[in-house]
Amino acid sequence: QSVLTQPPSVSGAPGQRVTISCTGNSSNIGAGYDVHWYQQLPGTAPKLLIYGNSNRPSGVPDRFSGSKSGTSASLAITGLQAEDEADYYCQSYDSSLSGSKGVFGGGTKLTVL
Amino acid sequence: EVQLVESGGGLVQPGGSLRLSCAASGLTVSSNYMSWVRQAPGKGLEWVSVIYSGGSTYYADSVKGRFTISRDSSKNTLYLQMNSLRAEDTAVYYCARVLIAVAGIHFDYWGQGTLVTVSS
Repeated sequence: QSVLTQPPSVSGAPGQRVTISCTGNSSNIGAGYDVHWYQQLPGTAPKLLIYGNSNRPSGVPDRFSGSKSGTSASLAITGLQAEDEADYYCQSYDSSLSGSKGVFGGGTKLTVL
Repeated sequence: EVQLVESGGGLVQPGGSLRLSCAASGLTVSSNYMSWVRQAPGKGLEWVSVIYSGGSTYYADSVKGRFTISRDSSKNTLYLQMNSLRAEDTAVYYCARVLIAVAGIHFDYWGQGTLVTVSS
């Protein structure tokens, strides 16, 4: 069971907008720690998609955007394309954990219809 | 260009040991915070261990006492020594560079991963 909660799956038609939620608690997102998002295409390693809640690394299209409010965060994808079909993971920091304090969501599979 | 290349995965029996390597180019392992993250088949990502530039190390509770993270500056390589392996350690293991900020951490560069299978 992941510390951060994501919906297992979302779907949308090409050109549509989809959002993926990430819910934490007062020890992680609610404590003010940043949320980051990763895209994992089938059979490949995760790739940083959004960092610091809403920042895109160089090369990431502006169709991808992130936001954070309270104990939750969201990833939005506009103008959905077939190549966006992938697994998406949110990640933050949790002050209540011993040892490694990095935490991931369980992942959300995006299907482009 | 930063490249992280993992190796050392394979099939090992329960209770056995394995050492993973992550050879880096384009960044200096000893000057960065570096991590291992794993992904069990069909499952999500799990942070396993981190080594700070100063040498401090931290582990997930699930591997504490069994796994050891280390680095070799002369080879610019990160390692994960895995002992007393269990079936639940079966996963693809990724090395990643960790970026630290006031409001937390994230991983900006990832290797391609190496598969560890623990089975008799």
